Amino acid sequence: EIVMTQSPATLSVSPGERATLSCRASQSISSNLAWFQQKPGQAPRLLIYRASTRATGIPARFSGSGSGTEFTLTISSLQSEDFAVYHCQQYDDWPPITFGQGTRLEIK
Amino acid sequence: QVQLQESGPGLVKPSGTLSLTCAVSGGSISDYNWWSWVRQPPGKGLEWIGEIYRSGTTDFNPSLKSRVTISLDKSKNQFSLKVSSATAADTAVYYCASASWPSRYFDNWGQGTLVTVSS
Repeated sequence: EIVMTQSPATLSVSPGERATLSCRASQSISSNLAWFQQKPGQAPRLLIYRASTRATGIPARFSGSGSGTEFTLTISSLQSEDFAVYHCQQYDDWPPITFGQGTRLEIK
Repeated sequence: QVQLQESGPGLVKPSGTLSLTCAVSGGSISDYNWWSWVRQPPGKGLEWIGEIYRSGTTDFNPSLKSRVTISLDKSKNQFSLKVSSATAADTAVYYCASASWPSRYFDNWGQGTLVTVSS
């Protein structure tokens, strides 16, 4: 099973600043990584797939990078609606498909 | 855009069977999609339960495989989940989700439904 580890668990950033979230895979997953945003009481929403491709309707301030075992989600200028929990998911090797434990992005 | 909607009992007794259905609209269950179930215990992360393809082919999380059944109902355009021998550890929000073949990132999600296992 591929273990996905996200860091930090909680990130405190001020509106307008940049946020950088990390996701590490226990073995190489090429670029088969997705990022999701989840707000309280809502389902996850796909932001990024194939490590760096934005999903339909996702603002350009969201960008993904990385390959192999190290991945990053960057939000260039935080808006109030961006404070949420972010999850990464690997889909390179299954079963099982696995997720990271999540990073909570909170207002500083 | 495919839309997904979960339904089923919100309360299950310990040792009972948890049963949920996901209705698919805006598309066909026979489309080139993988249909999955994902759960999220309160305050915790996401856990993939398993998936089914239009052919009926299934894959399961090894941690749950012995207790899980996923099936398709093409006549009703829906798919279903059963988890047997339920315990409090199965208490979670259950989501149905879909991934466009051949990839397995989830581009559509249901709103989720909370299932509590308690007597």
